[in-house]
Amino acid sequence: DIQMTQSPSSLSASVGDRVTITCRASQSISSYLNWYQQKPGKAPKLLIYAASSLQSGVPSRFSGSGSGTDFTLTISSLQPEDFATYYCQQSYSTSITFGQGTRLEIK
Amino acid sequence: QVQLVESGGGVVQPGGSLRLSCAASGFTFSSYGMHWVRQAPGKGLEWVAFIRYDGSNKYYADSVKGRFTISRDNSKNTLYLQMNSLRAEDTAVYYCAKDHVSGADAFDIWGQGTMVTVSS
Repeated sequence: DIQMTQSPSSLSASVGDRVTITCRASQSISSYLNWYQQKPGKAPKLLIYAASSLQSGVPSRFSGSGSGTDFTLTISSLQPEDFATYYCQQSYSTSITFGQGTRLEIK
Repeated sequence: QVQLVESGGGVVQPGGSLRLSCAASGFTFSSYGMHWVRQAPGKGLEWVAFIRYDGSNKYYADSVKGRFTISRDNSKNTLYLQMNSLRAEDTAVYYCAKDHVSGADAFDIWGQGTMVTVSS
């Protein structure tokens, strides 16, 4: 299976900060990389698909980049509602895998 | 509106069986691949299984292969997960999720989840 490794595992930031989360794949996955946001007790929400395409309805402060093995999710100016856990997910392989998650907390 | 609603979760003894259902509405169910994803308490997301829009292809995580079976009834707009030989490590919230309209194997619609607890 393709292993997905996110860094950092947790992050403290303030409203208005620019935040970047990194996801690394154990082999090249082209642009088959998606990002999700999950809040406690809720289902995940798709933010970015195919590495850099913004899902409909998602604020433009979210952006994704990368290809091959290295990817980033950037939040340009943190809002109070952005404090959550973020997951990357590869869809290159028929055996889909997620990163372990990055918990974004309020500083 | 576009919606997925899971049901069928509960408490089951190790070695037991359970069938989960996921009722879809608000979109053409028969046009999309569907997935099951689970999340153990306090843990991350784990993909479980996928079924193609017409049921012709199915894929499973190694952790459930041979024990779980994904299926669908397009006439009833319903996805299923038959879970046999359940283990304690199968305890999780189980979500059904719809394939993205682009076919990118991204999950653009999720259900609210149903809890499965495997315990004696």
